[in-house]
Amino acid sequence: GAVVSQHPSRVICKSGTSVKIECRSLDFQATTMFWYRQFPKQSLMLMATSNEGSKATYEQGVEKDKFLINHASLTLSTLTVTSAHPEDSSFYICSARLSGTNEKLFFGSGTQLSVL
Amino acid sequence: GQNIDQPTEMTATEGAIVQINCTYQTSGFNGLFWYQQHAGEAPTFLSYNVLDGLEEKGRFSSFLSRSKGYSYLLLKELQMKDSASYLCAVRDGNDYKLSFGAGTTVTVRA
Repeated sequence: GAVVSQHPSRVICKSGTSVKIECRSLDFQATTMFWYRQFPKQSLMLMATSNEGSKATYEQGVEKDKFLINHASLTLSTLTVTSAHPEDSSFYICSARLSGTNEKLFFGSGTQLSVL
Repeated sequence: GQNIDQPTEMTATEGAIVQINCTYQTSGFNGLFWYQQHAGEAPTFLSYNVLDGLEEKGRFSSFLSRSKGYSYLLLKELQMKDSASYLCAVRDGNDYKLSFGAGTTVTVRA
């Protein structure tokens, strides 16, 4: 099946720093990628839809200036958490849609962000 | 948005059967998914239903009733490795976005 690689798997940073998370589709082209965040024992909450070559679409309540998304190629989307604060600590997961399919999304392995 | 409800926790013994129910409310239903998620890992796809009825895939089956806004995931011949969180997700419209339920944590005991 299709593989989505997400890096890093875990990051610990100081408050005020920026953190970049990469999401790559390894064996397929993904015109659309989605970024989710998940708090412990809670559901995945969609943050934004990343479209190759255009601006990301953010869900209501998600600050686009804080969570910068870039989808410069058909295989790479990045999420940058700018000026991270402890409340941004969460599990971030990307997913990619295989072009031409109307079914499942493929998920990355997730990034556990801890802001001190 | 969608209102997706599923039980928080379920416990069963090895070799048994467990049924996880999911109810949803959406205006433009376009498919229901079940994912399995182990702690600290990404969700993995289990099943997809868009038409009413039962989809069987090995030990796992998923059922959908669109008129009732209801689905269930049936896990048969439970194994210890099936201990995980099971997420019900609904697609609304044609934009491929998924909305997830809070997940059901299944614990399989020997």
